[in-house]
Amino acid sequence: AQSVTQLDSQVPVFEEAPVELRCNYSSSVSVYLFWYVQYPNQGLQLLLKYLSGSTLVESINGFEAEFNKSQTSFHLRKPSVHISDTAEYFCAARDFGNEKLTFGTGTRLTIIP
Amino acid sequence: ETGVTQSPTHLIKTRGQQVTLRCSSQSGHNTVSWYQQALGQGPQFIFQYYREEENGRGNFPPRFSGLQFPNYSSELNVNALELDDSALYLCASGPDKFNTEAFFGQGTRLTVV
Repeated sequence: AQSVTQLDSQVPVFEEAPVELRCNYSSSVSVYLFWYVQYPNQGLQLLLKYLSGSTLVESINGFEAEFNKSQTSFHLRKPSVHISDTAEYFCAARDFGNEKLTFGTGTRLTIIP
Repeated sequence: ETGVTQSPTHLIKTRGQQVTLRCSSQSGHNTVSWYQQALGQGPQFIFQYYREEENGRGNFPPRFSGLQFPNYSSELNVNALELDDSALYLCASGPDKFNTEAFFGQGTRLTVV
């Protein structure tokens, strides 16, 4: 992927409200897409991934993302957020047959009690 | 728990010095990638090793070098440290050649003064 864009650097959301974190990518070939979460002073944890098949992918903690090829997007959504979801979220893309994982600049999700 | 361990967790070096960062992966993880994450930014791909040979490199100068060992451990070496090298350094390992589903370590925070 040539680039990954996360337009929102910070997103404040009230607890139990829905949230969408936006991600767009640019690539001349097919891609794999990922969302990672990073808690303070920790490494990255894989949240969910799109490799092939169904364009809607889900994580075990209620997040989901939908691959939209025509809009080159992979937005992350959750219908009801919790305090524990406060973290930095990174979208990433990898071209088929390429070893390089390209990250966006991240979105800081802050949950307001 | 990703099974990927990095050491040390924090490190302070002086400009011009050399540093070695270490990563220990799970058995069977033949691929390791290294990333640099500057403060407030997404991770940037440094290079990747597969079965002890470099098989991909990002836009980093030659003073960034690495090694991968048969026991699934690896090193990132940086010579002639510069202030801009201050960052969180992440390693990620996986079983396949393109590190499609990489598992990240918690990172090493390097500060250059």
